[in-house]
Amino acid sequence: DAKTTQPNSMESNEEEPVHLPCNHSTISGTDYIHWYRQLPSQGPEYVIHGLTSNVNNRMASLAIAEDRKSSTLILHRATLRDAAVYYCILRTGSNYQLIWGAGTKLIIKP
Amino acid sequence: DTEVTQTPKHLVMGMTNKKSLKCEQHMGHRAMYWYKQKAKKPPELMFVYSYEKLSINESVPSRFSPECPNSSLLNLHLHALQPEDSALYLCASSQGGSGQETQYFGPGTRLLVL
Repeated sequence: DAKTTQPNSMESNEEEPVHLPCNHSTISGTDYIHWYRQLPSQGPEYVIHGLTSNVNNRMASLAIAEDRKSSTLILHRATLRDAAVYYCILRTGSNYQLIWGAGTKLIIKP
Repeated sequence: DTEVTQTPKHLVMGMTNKKSLKCEQHMGHRAMYWYKQKAKKPPELMFVYSYEKLSINESVPSRFSPECPNSSLLNLHLHALQPEDSALYLCASSQGGSGQETQYFGPGTRLLVL
């Protein structure tokens, strides 16, 4: 099974960009890369996903390496409300299952 | 409306009790999920319903019994649980099961088994 590897925690200053890395060296050609985050005392929420190309949305950007063995979630200007656990996840093409990483706890310093 | 609701928010039960968790979505999603999440761990998939039929059971003990009465509702019936079953139980839904589809999660039910 494909797996993802993430740093346990990261710190960043408020209003600065944050780059959250994820390694997924055993990714298959049909696996989508998803990122979800979980704020304290809440359920996970979707952030962004991609397959091969870099993706942008109003929450974040996703940079995918050319060989797809790693990706980076980019928060352009972190706020205190972005403090959460960020999960890097693989989702196989026709499977309901999400393969979760252990998550990175993002700490934002004012 | 992109909301998944779960009731109750908190539940305390004894090992001989029977209780149920409820989940509801009105997004017209055809897939619904139960997850279990222990502290500082990612969610673990328990069950998946697709078009109101049980599609995936991740070898969950029979003391957990899922039910999907209709396309908007998902229940998890609990009976004779153990203290190690204490966890956050999350419900989610998605349009289908393809790789690019988003799962929408509810806030969870925090369960304590005494």
